[in-house]
Amino acid sequence: AQSVSQHNHHVILSEAASLELGCNYSYGGTVNLFWYVQYPGQHLQLLLKYFSGDPLVKGIKGFEAEFIKSKFSFNLRKPSVQWSDTAEYFCAVHFGAGSYQLTFGKGTKLSVIP
Amino acid sequence: NAGVMQNPRHLVRRRGQEARLRCSPMKGHSHVYWYRQLPEEGLKFMVYLQKENIIDESGMPKERFSAEFPKEGPSILRIQQVVRGDSAAYFCASSPGQHGGYTFGSGTRLTVV
Repeated sequence: AQSVSQHNHHVILSEAASLELGCNYSYGGTVNLFWYVQYPGQHLQLLLKYFSGDPLVKGIKGFEAEFIKSKFSFNLRKPSVQWSDTAEYFCAVHFGAGSYQLTFGKGTKLSVIP
Repeated sequence: NAGVMQNPRHLVRRRGQEARLRCSPMKGHSHVYWYRQLPEEGLKFMVYLQKENIIDESGMPKERFSAEFPKEGPSILRIQQVVRGDSAAYFCASSPGQHGGYTFGSGTRLTVV
């Protein structure tokens, strides 16, 4: 079955530390990939997306993600986190080029300690 | 340019009552999607609608849940005879077309007491 896995449930970092959040999916066909962020009490905001082309995608707020097709992964990175990055991060996938339905991972809570 | 508007933000219902959640898509968007987020879970697709049509309701529970997107007015997600297990955050998203990323609303947090 098609699924999205986020391996880290809760990550705690100090400010200025580097961040990498893992996301893997199970599907052998074409995918569109997304990372969303949800600040406490707020709506989901799109951080970045990958449809095709350069597998290294740059998003807002200094985030980037790399699509590694052979590993079915789309990990989110940021070189230096800030306290304001404290939020929950969701990886989401469209399975199939024509798909409209997003399948989400369970999310990773990031706590950044000042 | 207003985003996706959902109301109410918080809704408390007693078991057995009806819950009505509203979603106004972004201007120019004719595609609406509803997702549910249960505690400690990611968002799960419920239903996809275009104006006056339900395109895909494969994620909707078979009983008590219904959705509509009339020609005029917001999309409505209706839950009849709510139970404690319906307590969740319900998010609406909209898009101008069927593909590409969508824009989410702030969600309605339903609590059933």
